[in-house]
Order: sequence, then C-alpha cells, then structure tokens
Amino acid sequence: SQQGEEDPQALSIQEGENATMNCSYKTSINNLQWYRQNSGRGLVHLILIRSNEREKHSGRLRVTLDTSKKSSSLLITASRAADTASYFCATDVHGNKLVFGAGTILRVKS
Amino acid sequence: NAGVTQTPKFRVLKTGQSMTLLCAQDMNHEYMYWYRQDPGMGLRLIHYSVGEGTTAKGEVPDGYNVSRLKKQNFLLGLESAAPSQTSVYFCASRYVAGGVRDEKLFFGSGTQLSVL
Repeated sequence: SQQGEEDPQALSIQEGENATMNCSYKTSINNLQWYRQNSGRGLVHLILIRSNEREKHSGRLRVTLDTSKKSSSLLITASRAADTASYFCATDVHGNKLVFGAGTILRVKS
Repeated sequence: NAGVTQTPKFRVLKTGQSMTLLCAQDMNHEYMYWYRQDPGMGLRLIHYSVGEGTTAKGEVPDGYNVSRLKKQNFLLGLESAAPSQTSVYFCASRYVAGGVRDEKLFFGSGTQLSVL
C-alpha cells in the first residue's frame, strides 16, 4: 500500500495564485521529499524536510511537516504556467528507499 | 554529464516474451532503483540495489528480476511478460559514499512498455 497519499488528486488555478498540496503518511519517517514530474519526463527533486524540521523554504516553495499528524504540505507561491506538472511526496522510512504517493496533478492556467 | 540514462525509451512486447531494460548512471552513485508508474498509483518500487553485486526486493517484485554486475548499470528483466506489466518504468540513483548519503534520487526519463 502507498505510504504517502496526496490531496487533492488534481488542482487547477490561475497564474499568479498560490497552490497548496497535502501529503499524509502512515509510519514514522526520517525525512519527506517532494518531487515534480513534467508530462512524459522523469521525476525531479524539489525539496527535502527532515523529521526534526517543521518548515522549509526554497525560492517559491514552502514545505511544512507535522509529524504528530503525519502530514506535510507543499505551497507554491505566485504560480506560473510552467509550474504545470504532477507533484509527488516521498517518504524515507528505512533509509534505503523512498516510498511515493499517487501525486497531485497541478494545472496553472495563463 | 548524462546523469541517469534508460534504454529503450519505448517497447512493445507480446505476452510471454522476455526483455531487459537497461539503466546506466555516470554519477558514481552507490544506490540504484527500479520503479513502475501506473495511472493513479504513483511510483511503486520493484527492486533496488545498495551496491555492486547486491539487490533487494521492493514493493512489487513479482515477475521481475534484476542484476547489478557493474556499479554504473542496473538491469531490469522480464522473463515472461504479462499485460499487467504494461507500465512506465523509471530508474533512479542515489549518492552514498563513506557513510555520507545524499537523500534525493536522480531519475531517468523512463521506458514506456506495452505488453499485448
């Protein structure tokens, strides 16, 4: 079964708006990562947050982690058409492998 | 620097045929992974390797075999393809050296496999 579950499954917003995606997981983790996948391409690492961190920023990305609720959120501010992609959370449980969620499809309309 | 390269990019098989997918990385990464991606299910780990000559099962290993004879290559084999193996297959690698591990994965561009 999937360790991470993203919500919503799909999100459509206007350019300039913020996009928020959520990820819930089941077991204790070492870290949680977010990846992006453009159509027909491989995944690209965006940002990592460790289990002892609560918030992290990278450019227009903001990630939060609540280990008590076993959840994380990815916020993309001032979205652009080029942000249109699928976004996946991945949890590092045992240190050797990442377990991915089903992803959120983001569409940014210009 | 090519990163992670997967061959072939597309393949169509008939049920019962066999094939091997090749993953090559030029980053001297210790860990390598094979995932499959199906609509609505995200990525599921098939097999992985934490070093040359070692392999381990992931979440969905049945029907697949792997080999890591050289550090830079990780092969995924289908001995007798089934329609349920129609999927997009991704290889990934991860840097580990001297006890230092980079947590992020680097992915190839994928192989689209159809089994008829």
